[in-house]
Amino acid sequence: NAGVTQTPKFQVLKTGQSMTLQCAQDMNHEYMSWYRQDPGMGLRLIHYSVGAGITDQGEVPNGYNVSRSTTEDFPLRLLSAAPSQTSVYFCASSPGLSADTQYFGPGTRLTVL
Amino acid sequence: GNSVTQMEGPVTLSEEAFLTINCTYTATGYPSLFWYVQYPGEGLQLLLKATKADDKGSNKGFEATYRKETTSFHLEKGSVQVSDSAVYFCALSDLGAGSYQLTFGKGTKLSVIP
Repeated sequence: NAGVTQTPKFQVLKTGQSMTLQCAQDMNHEYMSWYRQDPGMGLRLIHYSVGAGITDQGEVPNGYNVSRSTTEDFPLRLLSAAPSQTSVYFCASSPGLSADTQYFGPGTRLTVL
Repeated sequence: GNSVTQMEGPVTLSEEAFLTINCTYTATGYPSLFWYVQYPGEGLQLLLKATKADDKGSNKGFEATYRKETTSFHLEKGSVQVSDSAVYFCALSDLGAGSYQLTFGKGTKLSVIP
């Protein structure tokens, strides 16, 4: 039982490049979400999903896309990276259709030059 | 909207000192309240939670009581250890308002020195 896994752990991009951050969970959780963590800002919700085929925007969705084709996977796509997207990204999952007791992955540290 | 305010850090304490990290919230519904902890280089882990007024959450010697009258959920520990050095986040989940989102405070960094 691996819990929530994220790849890659570190990534450096140039402005304008695109990439996908991967997130997977093996706990059969319905609820999954993506946060970004910036110094002095805490965690801010980017997108979330309450089940396969269902996604919705969080507090800071601009510049990011998500999809949820399976229960296990919830990738986050950066369409055209900008320096303002330099951050640490966390994926999380929860057992119910709620935000209760989320389980977090180890994070991806992204730098956009 | 919902918001969480927690005390600014960093907080530096000597081993065995008493810890309090203040947290207050605003919410439109009936929130559940949480404390998450982030150890260096890791993701967040749930430390404790409370789902209704006057509930006390506890774990690993940490406690927090859901105070609806003061809209607070302060984190306390009687005797901290070096291993408690981490960043602590207060958060709320307001399902009563139909929200599936966790709202986090900005985090408080705790350093415990021997």
